[in-house]
Amino acid sequence: GNSVTQMEGPVTLSEEAFLTINCTYTATGYPSLFWYVQYPGEGLQLLLKATKADDKGSNKGFEATYRKETTSFHLEKGSVQVSDSAVYFCALSDSSGGSYIPTFGRGTSLIVHP
Amino acid sequence: DAMVIQNPRYQVTQFGKPVTLSCSQTLNHNVMYWYQQKSSQAPKLLFHYYDKDFNNEADTPDNFQSRRPNTSFCFLDIRSPGLGDAAMYLCATSSQASTQYFGPGTRLTVL
Repeated sequence: GNSVTQMEGPVTLSEEAFLTINCTYTATGYPSLFWYVQYPGEGLQLLLKATKADDKGSNKGFEATYRKETTSFHLEKGSVQVSDSAVYFCALSDSSGGSYIPTFGRGTSLIVHP
Repeated sequence: DAMVIQNPRYQVTQFGKPVTLSCSQTLNHNVMYWYQQKSSQAPKLLFHYYDKDFNNEADTPDNFQSRRPNTSFCFLDIRSPGLGDAAMYLCATSSQASTQYFGPGTRLTVL
């Protein structure tokens, strides 16, 4: 079956530090990959996505590249801000087996200090 | 703006007193999902609708039911809430296997 593994948090950084949150996946087909962000007390929001190998998703200074050879989709940002403090979820969606139910990772909490 | 709306944002109920949470969408998506999320955990899928077809997850308790009277609306009914059902309940929509759009959630408190 499909699965998503994220690095455990919390990740604690100072403002303007470089961020990497690791995400690896297993899938039977050719999934689309997503990063969602959840701010305190809110629902999840799509941050970025990539639908095929070597695609790079980007938004708000965040980037992630779909690496089929390493089955990874690591999230990066060059300079984090306090407002980036949130929980980040890596997810995949694989319709090749007839399912459209996404698989989520456990989430990684990011705390950014001034 | 097209969006997913959940009402109420906060719901307090008593142990064993039925409660209904609502979700509406203006995206015209054919798939609607209900998730339960407890503190510091990933959302847990309870069930979803593909158009009018209802799909229950195997480990969703019978205490949880859902209705989808039309494309735009979906309801989550908790027949006899227990203390363990206190959580954030998230509604999401998608157009088949694509990006999910989440509502802001309903925080349920059980006294």
